[in-house]
Amino acid sequence: DTGVSQNPRHKITKRGQNVTFRCDPISEHNRLYWYRQTLGQGPEFLTYFQNEAQLEKSRLLSDRFSAERPKGSFSTLEIQRTEQGDSAMYLCASSLVSQGGASGNTIYFGEGSWLTVV
Amino acid sequence: GQNIDQPTEMTATEGAIVQINCTYQTSGFNGLFWYQQHAGEAPTFLSYNVLDGLEEKGRFSSFLSRSKGYSYLLLKELQMKDSASYLCAVSDISGGYNKLIFGAGTRLAVHP
Repeated sequence: DTGVSQNPRHKITKRGQNVTFRCDPISEHNRLYWYRQTLGQGPEFLTYFQNEAQLEKSRLLSDRFSAERPKGSFSTLEIQRTEQGDSAMYLCASSLVSQGGASGNTIYFGEGSWLTVV
Repeated sequence: GQNIDQPTEMTATEGAIVQINCTYQTSGFNGLFWYQQHAGEAPTFLSYNVLDGLEEKGRFSSFLSRSKGYSYLLLKELQMKDSASYLCAVSDISGGYNKLIFGAGTRLAVHP
């Protein structure tokens, strides 16, 4: 059984550098989400995909952030010109949306990718 | 817009019962979730309510009142390993798309 997989798990980068995180969702899941979480806060929604289509982006996602899911399977989240305020845990999650039924709404999270910008 | 409120911190004794409350306001309610998150780890799914009433799953139960915009998570027979943050999250379909909006979480400390 493979859950949601994220890598790298930890990344330390200098301010101004670009970083990219990868997420492999649960294989049959058609929806993929990116969240950001800082200490003492709940996860904040960034964006999500239905298959390869990016359906919604939060206002939190500045133009330095870009996410892709080119083949409707894995996804990447790139942060350009990182700033210290970007330091957070970036969580990927996936779900299977089917016709009706509560289980289609359940979102399963990966272990997260910790970013520290120094 | 959306607003989710839950207490910041709670403490309880091993073996006791604790209730964590959550109130929410959202324009496109499509269900309420509770997640558990241990420090430094990802949230893990606990429960889902979309209809009013109580859902029981082992030591954990979750209640929903849609008319009051209110839910609670009930933890029975507390164990030390239950020390964690508990996240209330609302499934919101306003704008036509379904996403989870999280509260800030309630940090529960279980003492011997």
